[in-house]
Amino acid sequence: QKEVEQNSGPLSVPEGAIASLNCTYSDRGSQSFFWYRQYSGKSPELIMSIYSNGDKEDGRFTAQLNKASQYVSLLIRDSQPSDSATYLCAVARAGGADGLTFGKGTHLIIQP
Amino acid sequence: DAGVIQSPRHEVTEMGQEVTLRCKPISGHNSLFWYRQTMMRGLELLIYFNNNVPIDDSGMPEDRFSAKMPNASFSTLKIQPSEPRDSAVYFCASGLTTDTQYFGPGTRLTVL
Repeated sequence: QKEVEQNSGPLSVPEGAIASLNCTYSDRGSQSFFWYRQYSGKSPELIMSIYSNGDKEDGRFTAQLNKASQYVSLLIRDSQPSDSATYLCAVARAGGADGLTFGKGTHLIIQP
Repeated sequence: DAGVIQSPRHEVTEMGQEVTLRCKPISGHNSLFWYRQTMMRGLELLIYFNNNVPIDDSGMPEDRFSAKMPNASFSTLKIQPSEPRDSAVYFCASGLTTDTQYFGPGTRLTVL
């Protein structure tokens, strides 16, 4: 049974601070890792993908991957109220033959 | 690009009725996924097609659920007969590779 675990939150962060979101996964065969953002009542939106150990930066977002520890994280710098949403971690095997396995998400609240 | 199109956006039906959800993937995408999202279980993969061929339907909860993809631009998810526990948001997603998925707006299904 493949599992992706996230702290459901809510995680409350002051505006301008760094928000840190974490995710662990059980399937060691996982090779592709994704962070989706989902606003209430909306569909998930892909914000980051990462495939190799280490850090990947895109604007205010940094994804971190440690395959040995089966751990993925997302950092959001200079947090804005518009970043308030649920963040979903998803994993897939190489080639994605199994589709994506999602965590239940972390609800992030950025306090103005 | 119009993105993934789903219809209807909302569906309210009575227990025992047949429900058909529709999806038009992004043009040129060769993979199509159906997901279901509930508060209790999060976002779950139901079935996945590659080049119109069903690859993995192990997530389909029961024989009451069926999905088809008669051509590259159309897919349906059918529930017959529907039950109250089927109430959820159903998302269709498509991608160029099985790892990169873009979600439609979802269909909110309520079974009374």
